[in-house]
Amino acid sequence: DVKVTQSSRYLVKRTGEKVFLECVQDMDHENMFWYRQDPGLGLRLIYFSYDVKMKEKGDIPEGYSVSREKKERFSLILESASTNQTSMYLCASSSSGTGFYEQYFGPGTRLTVT
Amino acid sequence: QQQVKQSPQSLIVQKGGIPIINCAYENTAFDYFPWYQQFPGKGPALLIAIRPDVSEKKEGRFTISFNKSAKQFSLHIMDSQPGDSATYFCAASISRGSTLGRLYFGRGTQLTVWP
Repeated sequence: DVKVTQSSRYLVKRTGEKVFLECVQDMDHENMFWYRQDPGLGLRLIYFSYDVKMKEKGDIPEGYSVSREKKERFSLILESASTNQTSMYLCASSSSGTGFYEQYFGPGTRLTVT
Repeated sequence: QQQVKQSPQSLIVQKGGIPIINCAYENTAFDYFPWYQQFPGKGPALLIAIRPDVSEKKEGRFTISFNKSAKQFSLHIMDSQPGDSATYFCAASISRGSTLGRLYFGRGTQLTVWP
């Protein structure tokens, strides 16, 4: 079974703090993604990566950065957390092969910025 | 802008009913259309997917209908059960080129099935 794990289920941070969200997948997938999920807005893509050290901006990259130093790990960084970044953050991975449209999601990290 | 538009935002049906969720797209380069199901406290998971060269695909009680000329597709859940209560997302993808693997999601439909 594919497993995507995220470092925390719940996180509370203060405005201005630097926040790291970690994601690890165990299926040797090439592609990894970070989304945020807000009520009524669905899943919005923040950043994605097709390979180690590669990154592509999604639809809402402002205020975020990412790092992918190893194939299995994809980190989302909030350089200076703000209250409007309070959200559910979901990590996903997929292969570049025939199942490219199947993304495997982690359980999510609910981040609250106060 | 939203590349895939999904409606309704929420849907309530009684057990045994047939909820229908609709999605529409504009980009004719899309050639894969998956649906994802998300239960509370979990990440979304692939439910069923269709390519535009078929008009319908069934897996168990779940059916996707596809209308290529109208650029619309929909999910039907036959004999719905309370256990089907979840949020459903439609998505679209392109099977080649630099955006391979990227999914464009609709905003989701929260389905509640009353017993």
